[in-house]
Amino acid sequence: DIQMTQSPSSLSASVGDRVTMTCRSSQAIGRSLNWYQQKPGTVPKLLIYGASTLEAGVPSRFSGGGAVTDFTLTISSLQPEDFATYFCQQAYSSTSFGGGTKVEIK
Amino acid sequence: QLQLQESGPRLVKPSESLSLTCTVSGASISSDDYYWGWVRQPPGKGLEFIGSIFYRGKTYYNSSLRSRVTISVDTSRNQFSLRLTSLTAADTAVYFCARRDTGYTLRYWGQGILVTVSS
Repeated sequence: DIQMTQSPSSLSASVGDRVTMTCRSSQAIGRSLNWYQQKPGTVPKLLIYGASTLEAGVPSRFSGGGAVTDFTLTISSLQPEDFATYFCQQAYSSTSFGGGTKVEIK
Repeated sequence: QLQLQESGPRLVKPSESLSLTCTVSGASISSDDYYWGWVRQPPGKGLEFIGSIFYRGKTYYNSSLRSRVTISVDTSRNQFSLRLTSLTAADTAVYFCARRDTGYTLRYWGQGILVTVSS
């Protein structure tokens, strides 16, 4: 099974900051990587699929990059509504999720 | 507008089985384009994919749960169901149903149902 590791597990940032989080897979997965945002008590929301394709309706301040085993999710200018937990998901061999990165207010 | 809604018991005793149903509205479950799946999330923890089913009955299960999981579909009711056996406290979680698109992309989710395993 493919293991997904996200880092950091949490980070503190201020509104307007540029934030980058990483996701690493235990084996090569090409670009079969999705990102989700989840706010407390709500359903995960798809942000990015195929490593870098922005889902319709998602603000352009979100961007995804990387390939093979190392991936990033970047928020170019953090907004108040972006404080949430972010999960990566590999879709190369069945599927599995990372443990999440919680973005908190500094 | 596609909607998914989970239903089932919220409290189950250890060693017993859990049965949940997901009712799909706004679209037919009998689509050649999608699978329908289950994901769970223990309180305060991450997401775990349980498995998925195609409307013709083909299933995929998480290898770690395969021995305890059965997913079935009822196209006449536009529903699919999850059965999980031999429950322990570790199975306490919010259970989500979702539409599985190409590449396991999960665009549409039910609101989730918290299931507690406790005597």
